[in-house]
Amino acid sequence: GDSVTQMEGPVTLSEEAFLTINCTYTATGYPSLFWYVQYPGEGLQLLLKATKADDKGSNKGFEATYRKETTSFHLEKGSVQVSDSAVYFCALIDDYKLSFGAGTTVTVRA
Amino acid sequence: GAGVSQSPSNKVTEKGKDVELRCDPISGHTALYWYRQSLGQGLEFLIYFQGNSAPDKSGLPSDRFSAERTGGSVSTLTIQRTQQEDSAVYLCASSRGPAGIQNTEAFFGQGTRLTVV
Repeated sequence: GDSVTQMEGPVTLSEEAFLTINCTYTATGYPSLFWYVQYPGEGLQLLLKATKADDKGSNKGFEATYRKETTSFHLEKGSVQVSDSAVYFCALIDDYKLSFGAGTTVTVRA
Repeated sequence: GAGVSQSPSNKVTEKGKDVELRCDPISGHTALYWYRQSLGQGLEFLIYFQGNSAPDKSGLPSDRFSAERTGGSVSTLTIQRTQQEDSAVYLCASSRGPAGIQNTEAFFGQGTRLTVV
């Protein structure tokens, strides 16, 4: 079945550092790919998405590029802020089911 | 409503009791999902509804778990004879499109935190 594997955390960074969270997937079809974020005490919300190969999703300074050849969708941000501290989930949807990675906890120190 | 609403937000129950968790999806959303998030774990798929029918119940952990959806809207997840391992956050999500529309966004509720003591 479809699955998502993402880098395990926790990840601790200093403000203005570069963040990357690796995500790879396995799917039989041509899934759409997502990054969801869960801020402390809040619900899960969509951060960005890409629906086909070579698409780049971007939002709030975060970017991820859909790489079909490496089946990857790595999340990057060039300069993190304390407010980026959250749990990040990589996910795919193929047909109807959203499948999630295990989540990566990111803590940004001032 | 403005977003996916779940109730209660917190539930503490004694082992062996039954619980019902409610989800009100966004109006007009035909697809509805239930997920479970255990401490330190990712999101575990439980069940998917399209309208009132559930074409995929493959994630329900045991026959103690059941879910229904009425009127293509509200859904209830029922856990019978709760066990301590059922303690988790239960998340509901809804999306606009029917199955096969790949790039519809799923909107999540805040979840119900269930604690079985």
